[in-house]
Amino acid sequence: DTGVSQDPRHKITKRGQNVTFRCDPISEHNRLYWYRQTLGQGPEFLTYFQNEAQLEKSRLLSDRFSAERPKGSFSTLEIQRTEQGDSAMYLCASERKTGTGGSPLHFGNGTRLTVT
Amino acid sequence: AQSVTQLGSHVSVSEGALVLLRCNYSSSVPPYLFWYVQYPNQGLQLLLKYTTGATLVKGINGFEAEFKKSETSFHLTKPSAHMSDAAEYFCAVTRPSGGSYIPTFGRGTSLIVHP
Repeated sequence: DTGVSQDPRHKITKRGQNVTFRCDPISEHNRLYWYRQTLGQGPEFLTYFQNEAQLEKSRLLSDRFSAERPKGSFSTLEIQRTEQGDSAMYLCASERKTGTGGSPLHFGNGTRLTVT
Repeated sequence: AQSVTQLGSHVSVSEGALVLLRCNYSSSVPPYLFWYVQYPNQGLQLLLKYTTGATLVKGINGFEAEFKKSETSFHLTKPSAHMSDAAEYFCAVTRPSGGSYIPTFGRGTSLIVHP
């Protein structure tokens, strides 16, 4: 178990630029989640995948956001035309599907995005 | 819809004192409940979870939590705080979604431990 890896750890970008984040989950985990966390708040659900299928997207995920998980392995989260309100910590988590809701999530250390 | 309320954005205790972090949930189905801890600039780590069975669950680092259905609560306790317990703590409840379960998190409680 090498843990969930996220890259980069920090990203500073100018408003209007596009950014892409990568997440490598624990290898035997077939579910992958993206959350967003702003200062003083808990993680807010954005989207999740089971294998390569994106099964649910939050209303927080505007048209400028897109996530992929090709071949059910790593995942990318892209934000187009970034806005200052996109500044947050983006957390990735993976889970081994057990058929119940009792499996914990394993989180990466996050990517902190700052939009100037 | 499932939701989580954590009472108190900050809790301050002295080293060696009892830690009590409060969590209330609303759920239309029997819940799965979790506590996670987050240290600065890190992701969340699981402290403990309740799925079924015994309502008092023990976790890592001496923490425990009790599921009280009648009170819809899942408060986190530790008998004696250590300086190393200073961190952000999040309560979470899972909600069903098309055959899966999506964790919903509370806003978090920052635990401050004084020497």
